[in-house]
Amino acid sequence: DTAVSQTPKYLVTQMGNDKSIKCEQNLGHDTMYWYKQDSKKFLKIMFSYNNKELIINETVPNRFSPKSPDKAHLNLHINSLELGDSAVYFCASSQVAGPYEQYFGPGTRLTVT
Amino acid sequence: GQQVMQIPQYQHVQEGEDFTTYCNSSTTLSNIQWYKQRPGGHPVFLIQLVKSGEVKKQKRLTFQFGEAKKNSSLHITATQTTDVGTYFCAAPRSNDYKLSFGAGTTVTVRA
Repeated sequence: DTAVSQTPKYLVTQMGNDKSIKCEQNLGHDTMYWYKQDSKKFLKIMFSYNNKELIINETVPNRFSPKSPDKAHLNLHINSLELGDSAVYFCASSQVAGPYEQYFGPGTRLTVT
Repeated sequence: GQQVMQIPQYQHVQEGEDFTTYCNSSTTLSNIQWYKQRPGGHPVFLIQLVKSGEVKKQKRLTFQFGEAKKNSSLHITATQTTDVGTYFCAAPRSNDYKLSFGAGTTVTVRA
């Protein structure tokens, strides 16, 4: 059973398009995250939700909009995609908000052409 | 904001040799975590250290938390090809507990 799953695994799209990435966790965790990993493997947090409530919103362009319909799901919608958005996006979850271990999904490799 | 600095960025190791990666912070950390990301994979949690001077072992991996809780190290003995990947340290910020990841040490192994 997959603990944290993401769809799609790969996403190739053109500049200016709008796309969404979905994430689901079946661990019963309260907190979910979106990370962006660039080509140099640097992991940067973008957002965090705790029980459907946004608790972390880093300096991310407002073209990125997360949405959590329930605590097991966290989606990421990106408007007007730009070349610089190309990266691997990881969803993660932890039992509760705080300095606890995080479980990562398999990642979505987004390529903007 | 708090940052964790990780060195080296790259580590090329002969199979069978040992190596160490280091993680340093200018501020005292409440805890430190280590993750491993295989090529093409996702970060996987390895361990969390909480106590000053704590040492934990997982088979050939030894994790250490400094006495001042400002640095940590991961030492791998007798490196194997299965050790290939990027190792990240991560520590929570004091103000919001968000995990701040180091830049990672990418390990390649020569057979």
